[in-house]
Amino acid sequence: DAGVTQSPTHLIKTRGQQVTLRCSPKSGHDTVSWYQQALGQGPQFIFQYYEEEERQRGNFPDRFSGHQFPNYSSELNVNALLLGDSALYLCASSSPRGLAGRDTQYFGPGTRLTVL
Amino acid sequence: SQQGEEDPQALSIQEGENATMNCSYKTSINNLQWYRQNSGRGLVHLILIRSNEREKHSGRLRVTLDTSKKSSSLLITASRAADTASYFCATADSNYQLIWGAGTKLIIKP
Repeated sequence: DAGVTQSPTHLIKTRGQQVTLRCSPKSGHDTVSWYQQALGQGPQFIFQYYEEEERQRGNFPDRFSGHQFPNYSSELNVNALLLGDSALYLCASSSPRGLAGRDTQYFGPGTRLTVL
Repeated sequence: SQQGEEDPQALSIQEGENATMNCSYKTSINNLQWYRQNSGRGLVHLILIRSNEREKHSGRLRVTLDTSKKSSSLLITASRAADTASYFCATADSNYQLIWGAGTKLIIKP
């Protein structure tokens, strides 16, 4: 049973560019959440997708957008990149129907984004 | 913004000793969870304690929750070198949105 997968592993972009990160949830999970983790900090919630819709959003600007596909995989898009967007981007999946319910989130290994 | 604050920020102990980390939070919660993160990679779920529970065990882990003080503690007994990692607490509200602390960096010396 594959866990949560994310691609790419590492990414280097230049200020002003756009980036797309991808996430495939754990088998059987239908909810995907995205987090940004700056170096030495805890994760910050970006948004959550369920049934192909953004259900909750954290305190992030509109430059951060996402999408969920019918197979429950998800993308995170960031436009007009800033130096401060450099971080580890984590994807987590969960399901309300599993034994753990939506309470427990399973994390992917993350994508390390560096903006120069 | 961060909800929880872990204390201490860093902890270094000898292998075999017990490690205790604390977490404080600000708002009412549905549950509180502890996660481990190795070398800035993905987070691994350790244990979840619900707001109506006071103590929970999982192997060498013991978690307590005091909702009146809005605090939780994670105890790792008989620490091992493999326990070296950063530990985060995260609180979940009724919408299951997780809000995280800044973490405790635990170093186990052989």
